[in-house]
Amino acid sequence: DTGVSQNPRHKITKRGQNVTFRCDPISEHNRLYWYRQTLGQGPEFLTYFQNEAQLEKSRLLSDRFSAERPKGSFSTLEIQRTEQGDSAMYLCASSLWGGASPTYEQYFGPGTRLTVT
Amino acid sequence: AQSVSQHNHHVILSEAASLELGCNYSYGGTVNLFWYVQYPGQHLQLLLKYFSGDPLVKGIKGFEAEFIKSKFSFNLRKPSVQWSDTAEYFCAVNAYGGATNKLIFGTGTLLAVQP
Repeated sequence: DTGVSQNPRHKITKRGQNVTFRCDPISEHNRLYWYRQTLGQGPEFLTYFQNEAQLEKSRLLSDRFSAERPKGSFSTLEIQRTEQGDSAMYLCASSLWGGASPTYEQYFGPGTRLTVT
Repeated sequence: AQSVSQHNHHVILSEAASLELGCNYSYGGTVNLFWYVQYPGQHLQLLLKYFSGDPLVKGIKGFEAEFIKSKFSFNLRKPSVQWSDTAEYFCAVNAYGGATNKLIFGTGTLLAVQP
């Protein structure tokens, strides 16, 4: 499968614990996006990377959230001191920006469902 | 700020019925428009997109959408739905030429097709 993959698919944690999610984009894609989706809502933008550079962060991304894409390939999203309000589906997407044959559209992974108890 | 409205939150149709899902966006500039679909237990998939040119775009599985600039709308249509079209449908927009290319999504429409 050459699509976007995310791990783990499900995570249950206790309030106050730290969690980390991983996203592996489509290999040739240079842009990587993180979104959050809660029940009854569409995905909401959190942050994005072009290669290894994090170029924009949403106001939704509090100080407890940090994202990295150290080598411009996979990305991690860490949530520190989780709160019940962090319970959501965390989606990763990738796209090919610029170059000779950009696609622009974003391809989504299956998501990581976080439950904070 | 950009926003997207999907007026139908839950739609129930019988097989062979026609479908039209409404989507309106709020943004003064040029936009790229998308419809994504999420089948039960699966991830978001692109159904169709509009970047420029013919405002009537065709997507996969017999879906089409019409961009009406004057109405800020991008409604999704299918002449005859099938049970396999049961899914959640999301309209999304991003600013054309915007550096971020982030998507702004609507709240989604849950479609249930009864056999």
